[in-house]
Amino acid sequence: AQSVTQPDIHITVSEGASLELRCNYSYGATPYLFWYVQSPGQGLQLLLKYFSGDTLVQGIKGFEAEFKRSQSSFNLRKPSVHWSDAAEYFCAVGVLLAGGTSYGKLTFGQGTILTVHP
Amino acid sequence: DTGVSQDPRHKITKRGQNVTFRCDPISEHNRLYWYRQTLGQGPEFLTYFQNEAQLEKSRLLSDRFSAERPKGSFSTLEIQRTEQGDSAMYLCASSSPRQAINEKLFFGSGTQLSVL
Repeated sequence: AQSVTQPDIHITVSEGASLELRCNYSYGATPYLFWYVQSPGQGLQLLLKYFSGDTLVQGIKGFEAEFKRSQSSFNLRKPSVHWSDAAEYFCAVGVLLAGGTSYGKLTFGQGTILTVHP
Repeated sequence: DTGVSQDPRHKITKRGQNVTFRCDPISEHNRLYWYRQTLGQGPEFLTYFQNEAQLEKSRLLSDRFSAERPKGSFSTLEIQRTEQGDSAMYLCASSSPRQAINEKLFFGSGTQLSVL
């Protein structure tokens, strides 16, 4: 069975500092990996995803993530954090659902809460 | 595009009561998903519909839980004989009919259930 581990429950950074959120996955096949962000009272929003190809993927809001198969990792990075980035971030691995038409069966990590200091 | 709408936003109930939640997906989306999120955890997959057909259910979905999508549009999730362990945020998501690798899920804001 697949699993996702986010080792850091809570991270605090200063505005303008760089950010890296860690994600490790366990999956028997080629993983389909995602990063989502959840702000209070808001739905989960997709930041980026990796399926194949270039291991460095760009997402929205200036985020990027790098897939490293040898380390089973998919870490999220941002060079300069803004106060509006404060939220909870989830890494997830997608599994192909019955019918083979959807990867919407996501296994999420427990999340990393990001606090941004001014 | 008005987004995925869930109703109610909050539900407080007593143990043993039945509750029903509603999800209205984005209008052209034929795929619909239910997830459950408990405090301090990531969301967990519950079930998946393609149009009106329920194609997959998690073993988390005990026999007290039932989900329907009768006309392939809105969906309901009913919990019978609620237990305190059912207290969680119930999330709905939808996606449009496109190739799986290009799929993008849109999540609603969820229904927060508290069982007293």
